Amino acid sequence: DAGVIQSPRHEVTEMGQEVTLRCKPISGHNSLFWYRQTMMRGLELLIYFNNNVPIDDSGMPEDRFSAKMPNASFSTLKIQPSEPRDSAVYFCASSTGQGLTFFGQGTRLTVV
Amino acid sequence: GDSVTQMEGPVTLSEEAFLTINCTYTATGYPSLFWYVQYPGEGLQLLLKATKADDKGSNKGFEATYRKETTSFHLEKGSVQVSDSAVYFCALSDLRNAGNMLTFGGGTRLMVKP
Repeated sequence: DAGVIQSPRHEVTEMGQEVTLRCKPISGHNSLFWYRQTMMRGLELLIYFNNNVPIDDSGMPEDRFSAKMPNASFSTLKIQPSEPRDSAVYFCASSTGQGLTFFGQGTRLTVV
Repeated sequence: GDSVTQMEGPVTLSEEAFLTINCTYTATGYPSLFWYVQYPGEGLQLLLKATKADDKGSNKGFEATYRKETTSFHLEKGSVQVSDSAVYFCALSDLRNAGNMLTFGGGTRLMVKP
């Protein structure tokens, strides 16, 4: 298995633009997580899905952030409009029902 | 709610030194405990895990024992290498919760000098 696949690996965009981050979880995993990592705040859970249904989105910073999981093999995290303070590394992770969570390589977002 | 506390870094050691990174947790249920490692520019990778009290997880020379009486899961390695330089995260997960969400500590950066 190729693991959790995220795209793009790097994204540089201008303030105000829409940004879409993509994730393909490991086949057969029923949970998917979006995390954000910054030097100041460390690793933050933004939202997670179980069987494609959002379970907890309390970590989503504000309405500019939205996440979808239309099917078991794909999820997106969208920021509209983007701001410089959104600059971070965004990780997608997927999990089996046995508590083993696997992370993607991350998307490094820079908003200028 | 559940929480994980790790010693703050950075931890700087010479090659072949003994490593301990402290981790304590607070949980209402019966969590599983994990150590993840993040190498520069990469995502987090599972290093080891323990699912019940007194279990010892081990991998790549690293070990951690699930101590329920002290609510701890300290990471140890007898002889570190330069290649062990990374950020280490302690985490817990209550398998009774849907989705097996992980609660992470703040991470501890390890720097090993030759």
